[in-house]
Amino acid sequence: NAGVTQTPKFQVLKTGQSMTLQCAQDMNHEYMSWYRQDPGMGLRLIHYSVGAGITDQGEVPNGYNVSRSTTEDFPLRLLSAAPSQTSVYFCASSYSSGRRELFFGEGSRLTVL
Amino acid sequence: GENVEQHPSTLSVQEGDSAVIKCTYSDSASNYFPWYKQELGKRPQLIIDIRSNVGEKKDQRIAVTLNKTAKHFSLHITETQPEDSAVYFCAAGYNTNAGKSTFGDGTTLTVKP
Repeated sequence: NAGVTQTPKFQVLKTGQSMTLQCAQDMNHEYMSWYRQDPGMGLRLIHYSVGAGITDQGEVPNGYNVSRSTTEDFPLRLLSAAPSQTSVYFCASSYSSGRRELFFGEGSRLTVL
Repeated sequence: GENVEQHPSTLSVQEGDSAVIKCTYSDSASNYFPWYKQELGKRPQLIIDIRSNVGEKKDQRIAVTLNKTAKHFSLHITETQPEDSAVYFCAAGYNTNAGKSTFGDGTTLTVKP
């Protein structure tokens, strides 16, 4: 049981490049979400999903796309990277009933030059 | 949308003392209030949570109190130990979708031996 797995752990991009952060969970969680963490600003919700085929925007969705074709996977796409997207990104998942704990991945540190 | 304010941003205590972190929220419909601990370089992990039908919850040295009328909740850590040093985040959201919780900006707790 690996929990929530994110790849890559580190990435350096040039302005304008695109990339995908991968997230997979093996706990059969219905809910998955992406957060970004910037110094002194806590965790801000980018996009979330309540199940396969259903996604919605969070607080800071601009510049990011998501899709959820399976229960297990929830990739985050940066369409045209900007220096303002330099951050640590966390994927998280949780059950839809019962315990509501968010299980986080290890994080992906992205630097945009 | 929901707005969560967390205070203080930094807190330093002597080992064995108590630590209190306070959060306020704006959306009276929020009914789920978790607290996460993030050690340096690690992922956030749930330490305790409370639902709006409960005023207080305790787990060993950790307790959380909730005042729905005033829309604030607090984390209390007693008999602090050096391993309690970390960043603590409060969050507010809905019991039906923990993945959409709004986080506070975090409190860096330092416990001096």
